[in-house]
Amino acid sequence: DVKVTQSSRYLVKRTGEKVFLECVQDMDHENMFWYRQDPGLGLRLIYFSYDVKMKEKGDIPEGYSVSREKKERFSLILESASTNQTSMYLCASSPIQGGLGNEQFFGPGTRLTVL
Amino acid sequence: QKEVEQDPGPLSVPEGAIVSLNCTYSNSAFQYFMWYRQYSRKGPELLMYTYSSGNKEDGRFTAQVDKSSKYISLFIRDSQPSDSATYLCAMRRSSNYQLIWGAGTKLIIKP
Repeated sequence: DVKVTQSSRYLVKRTGEKVFLECVQDMDHENMFWYRQDPGLGLRLIYFSYDVKMKEKGDIPEGYSVSREKKERFSLILESASTNQTSMYLCASSPIQGGLGNEQFFGPGTRLTVL
Repeated sequence: QKEVEQDPGPLSVPEGAIVSLNCTYSNSAFQYFMWYRQYSRKGPELLMYTYSSGNKEDGRFTAQVDKSSKYISLFIRDSQPSDSATYLCAMRRSSNYQLIWGAGTKLIIKP
């Protein structure tokens, strides 16, 4: 059973703080993704990675960076948190090959509040 | 205009009703179409997947794709309170791993 875990379920930070969100998957998937989810906007892709040390910008990368030093771990970094980054953050992973059109498996999410 | 449009709802129906959830899209290059279900305080999980056009059935769930109209649907028969969740459509091109998501429709099944 695929498992994607995220380091925190709830996080409260102050404006200007550096924030680290960690994601770990245990299925040896090549692809990993970070999304944010806001009411009425659905899931918006922040960054994705298709291999260790590789990263690609998604639709809304501004204010974020990522790190993938190991295949199973993908970190999202908010360099200087701002109130408009208050959101639900979802991590996902998927294999390169797969009969399900590369199904993405999601973690439970981290609800981040920036005060 | 968004590439994928989905009514956010909420859609409230009585238990046992047939539910129809829909998405429209603008990019004719999309080939893979998916429906994810997301319960409150959980991540989305894949419910149905269809490649190209046609229908796919799995128990009480049927997914339909009409590429000529750029329209996809998810039907739920004999709806149950446990079906109450947000349903997100997602789609992608053959050449790209990136999924394009609808906003999600919140479904409420009243006992």
